[in-house]
Amino acid sequence: DTAVSQTPKYLVTQMGNDKSIKCEQNLGHDTMYWYKQDSKKFLKIMFSYNNKELIINETVPNRFSPKSPDKAHLNLHINSLELGDSAVYFCATRRGYEQYFGPGTRLTVT
Amino acid sequence: GDSVTQMEGPVTLSEEAFLTINCTYTATGYPSLFWYVQYPGEGLQLLLKATKADDKGSNKGFEATYRKETTSFHLEKGSVQVSDSAVYFCAFLNSGGSNYKLTFGKGTLLTVNP
Repeated sequence: DTAVSQTPKYLVTQMGNDKSIKCEQNLGHDTMYWYKQDSKKFLKIMFSYNNKELIINETVPNRFSPKSPDKAHLNLHINSLELGDSAVYFCATRRGYEQYFGPGTRLTVT
Repeated sequence: GDSVTQMEGPVTLSEEAFLTINCTYTATGYPSLFWYVQYPGEGLQLLLKATKADDKGSNKGFEATYRKETTSFHLEKGSVQVSDSAVYFCAFLNSGGSNYKLTFGKGTLLTVNP
């Protein structure tokens, strides 16, 4: 059973489009995160939700909007995509000190 | 501000060689320290952790000791294998606040050749 899953795995789209990435976890953890990993592997936190409540909102353009419909899901919607949004986006959950990462969604904006 | 500095890669070793990846941190308070590993095409996985000074984290032959006096958490393995090829991230979690926000280093790519 996959603990943290993301869809889609790959997403290729054109500049200006709006797209969503979905994350689902079956671990029962209360806290979920979105990270962005750039082409140099640098990992940056974007958002964190705890029990459907936004608790971390880093300096991210407001074109990015997370949504948590329930504790098991955290989606990321991106409006007006730009070339610089191309990256791998990781969802993660947390229990105690440990974070559990999904497999990532590779977003390519052309 | 809080930050993690880790050895820049890439690091290329032959199988059975000794590995060290340096990591130092700048943080207020008493952070918990971690090494995460990212295998090709996958998400990150926790490799080991240490939550207080002088603790040694270990897993899969890897070790790292929390050195408060030098603010370091260097990763070591005595004999690497081809399967250890991955990107390794040092990270810390500050004890202040309840947001559990991890601060990551930039990652070090390790390639082990047979």
